[in-house]
Amino acid sequence: AQSVTQLGSHVSVSEGALVLLRCNYSSSVPPYLFWYVQYPNKGLQLLLKYTSAATLVKGINGFEAEFKKSETSFHLTKPSAHMSDAAEYFCAVRNNAGNMLTFGGGTRLMVKP
Amino acid sequence: DSGVTQTPKHLITATGQRVTLRCSPRSGDLSVYWYQQSLDQGLQFLIQYYNGEERAKGNILERFSAQQFPDLHSELNLSSLELGDSALYFCASSAAGGQGMETQYFGPGTRLLVL
Repeated sequence: AQSVTQLGSHVSVSEGALVLLRCNYSSSVPPYLFWYVQYPNKGLQLLLKYTSAATLVKGINGFEAEFKKSETSFHLTKPSAHMSDAAEYFCAVRNNAGNMLTFGGGTRLMVKP
Repeated sequence: DSGVTQTPKHLITATGQRVTLRCSPRSGDLSVYWYQQSLDQGLQFLIQYYNGEERAKGNILERFSAQQFPDLHSELNLSSLELGDSALYFCASSAAGGQGMETQYFGPGTRLLVL
């Protein structure tokens, strides 16, 4: 069975500060990992995905995530937050045998001016 | 814009009623997935169809059913609705069967309110 835990349902940062959103996964086989963003009243948009080609994955809008097998983590970071980054972020996992995505509970990012 | 369309955007209905949600996948995508997003359950996978056939099933209630038509659009039917069925229902699509690194592209969702 696979699962995802996102630590912190709400994260607040100041504009220009580092963004760190945490994701830990549990999977019995090497996972494929995804980060999605959901802006208010919108659908989910893919930010980035880990496919085992490289442990540091760069995504859209300046976000990146690092896969750490020893820590079973796939944390999302951005060096400098913008007001437009305020949204809900979801980490998701899928193992190679499965089709479905298993999502974490989501982290709502708030950016203060 | 992901290329996945869903109708209607909003739906208000009463308990005991039946509704149909519609999804058109991205051009060329063969798989359609349905997810439910609610405050208490989070984002949960319901069901996947691949090229007209059911491929995977998640936490879908027996009162719910889905199908994928020859033109690859899909419908999710929700019957005997209860207050707890109020949620945002997402459709997603992917190019093939959905395994491995394949990306799922999500539509804007249908917000269902059961009164």
